[in-house]
Amino acid sequence: SQQGEEDPQALSIQEGENATMNCSYKTSINNLQWYRQNSGRGLVHLILIRSNEREKHSGRLRVTLDTSKKSSSLLITASRAADTASYFCATDAEGGKLIFGQGTELSVKP
Amino acid sequence: DAGITQSPRHKVTETGTPVTLRCHQTENHRYMYWYRQDPGHGLRLIHYSYGVKDTDKGEVSDGYSVSRSKTEDFLLTLESATSSQTSVYFCAIHLQGTDTQYFGPGTRLTVL
Repeated sequence: SQQGEEDPQALSIQEGENATMNCSYKTSINNLQWYRQNSGRGLVHLILIRSNEREKHSGRLRVTLDTSKKSSSLLITASRAADTASYFCATDAEGGKLIFGQGTELSVKP
Repeated sequence: DAGITQSPRHKVTETGTPVTLRCHQTENHRYMYWYRQDPGHGLRLIHYSYGVKDTDKGEVSDGYSVSRSKTEDFLLTLESATSSQTSVYFCAIHLQGTDTQYFGPGTRLTVL
């Protein structure tokens, strides 16, 4: 069974707007990661936040983590058409494994 | 660039035929993973390897086997393909010194 549940499943916004995606998980974690997938391509790692961190930034990305609620959010600020992709959260498991959520499909319209 | 290739990139086969997908890496990473991706399910782990000849099952391993006789190659075999195995298959490696994975380009498999 999957660890992460993502919300919304699909999101459509205009260029310049902010996009927020949420991820909830079930068990305790050491870290939570976000990946991006362009259509027809493999996943690409975006950002990792550890369980003792509450917020992390990388360029236009902001990730928050609330371990008490077992949830995380990914904010993309000032979105661009090139941000159109699917975004997945993933939590760590033993053996270096990752457990992925179902993903949020983001469409940014010019 | 972690240098992962997958072959073939696309394959159409018939029910009951054996299929082998290959994942090749060039940088000696120890951990390798096979996932399948289906609409509404995200990525699900099929099998993984933590070294030559060391493999273990993932969440959806039924109907699949793997082999790793060399560090650089991780093979996924469908002994007798079924239509439910129509999917996109991704190989990934665990980047040493990090907690992240690097993904190959994927193989689109259609079982008729």
